[in-house]
Amino acid sequence: DIQMTQSPSSLSASLGDRVIITCRTSQSISNFLNWYQQKPGKAPKLLIYAASSLHSGVPSRFSGSGSGTDFTLTISSLQPEDFATYYCQQSYSTPRTFGQGTKVEI
Amino acid sequence: EVQLVESGGGLVQPGGSLRLSCAASGFPFSPYWMHWVRQVPGKGLLWVSLIDNDGTNTDYADSVKGRFTISRDNAKNTVILQMNSLRVEDTAVYYCARQTSSSFGRAFDIWGQGTMVTVSS
Repeated sequence: DIQMTQSPSSLSASLGDRVIITCRTSQSISNFLNWYQQKPGKAPKLLIYAASSLHSGVPSRFSGSGSGTDFTLTISSLQPEDFATYYCQQSYSTPRTFGQGTKVEI
Repeated sequence: EVQLVESGGGLVQPGGSLRLSCAASGFPFSPYWMHWVRQVPGKGLLWVSLIDNDGTNTDYADSVKGRFTISRDNAKNTVILQMNSLRVEDTAVYYCARQTSSSFGRAFDIWGQGTMVTVSS
């Protein structure tokens, strides 16, 4: 199984801050890395697919980068609606493992 | 509207069974691979199972292999998760999700609202 190491597990940030979340995989997955946002009591929402492609309707302040084993999700200027938990997920092979999540708090 | 709606969750005793359904609407169902993902409240996401577009290929997390069975009915736009020999540790919210094509990273672009499964005596 491919292991996912996401960091940090939580962070505190202010409105307008630049936020970077990292995800490392235990083996190379090319660009089969996706990012999701989840708010309490809600289903996850797709933000970024294929490491760096912005999903339809997602604000451009979200961006993704990386390939191989190291990936990042960047929020360029944190907005009130961005306070949530973020998960990376590899779609290279099954089981389709997720990172442990990063909770972004005020 | 493109949506997935899960149903069938509830309270069951250890060793019991439940059948979860996921009804798709607003998009052509048959071309898409479908997945189940679960989440213990307050914890992270755990992939459970997948089924390919025509039901030929399925796969499961080790923790549910041999106990859970995924299936689909493309005529009814439905994917099913039959859960047998349930354990306390299967307690979670269960989500179904649609997978995009390889050109779009095989990501999960549409999720249902989730259905809660509680296994307890």
